[in-house]
Amino acid sequence: QSALTQPPSASGSPGQSVTISCTGTSSDVGGYNYVSWYQQHPGKAPKVMIYEVSKRPSGVPDRFSGSKSGNTASLTVSGLQADDEADYYCSSYAGSDNLVFGGGTKLTVL
Amino acid sequence: QVQLVQSGAEVKKPGASVKVSCKASGYTFISYYMHWVRQAPGQGLEWMGIINPSSGSTTYAQRFQGRVTVTRDTSTSTVYMELSSLRSEDTAVYFCARLRGYCSGGYCENYYFDYWGQGTLVTVSP
Repeated sequence: QSALTQPPSASGSPGQSVTISCTGTSSDVGGYNYVSWYQQHPGKAPKVMIYEVSKRPSGVPDRFSGSKSGNTASLTVSGLQADDEADYYCSSYAGSDNLVFGGGTKLTVL
Repeated sequence: QVQLVQSGAEVKKPGASVKVSCKASGYTFISYYMHWVRQAPGQGLEWMGIINPSSGSTTYAQRFQGRVTVTRDTSTSTVYMELSSLRSEDTAVYFCARLRGYCSGGYCENYYFDYWGQGTLVTVSP
């Protein structure tokens, strides 16, 4: 199972929007609507921001949204804030209880 | 409140094995699947495997097959991850993570990690 492909970095100014992509295959991202996005600040455990492609757990601001087209999922962060600066990882169910993560994207708020 | 408390940092020699524990509290232990995820220094997250605490059944990532064993002790609500034949590339922080929902026959609900352990640093050094 190969890791999902994410851009290593992304950036935006406060108030702007940024979109991070996550590309897999028909065996993971394209085959299931079970893509999640996690935010990780340095030295901390990851925190879920989006699950099942576009659902937000309670407590996650609606500035965070997710979508999917074919084998590529996307996370959009609108109205960028300083605290959004973190690493973001996508993950996807890959069948038979398997899971695969993306390589991670470092989001910088300029 | 839900807590996942992991065992402390370990230093191991190449070729040795390590066993990391993850003690759960604040919920019904057997009702939620537990996963193991690791993160090498400065690197991304890597999925290792999953255990059904109720049945004890496991699934492991292909690259760890034969080297990783995940078990559970329902009497103490603890999940264990043992990794053998350690090499320097296994130096990483190892996390346990609770799956909020479930998957059955390719259908899943609430498929995300809602609680994570604090992480256990395993250092493999000669």
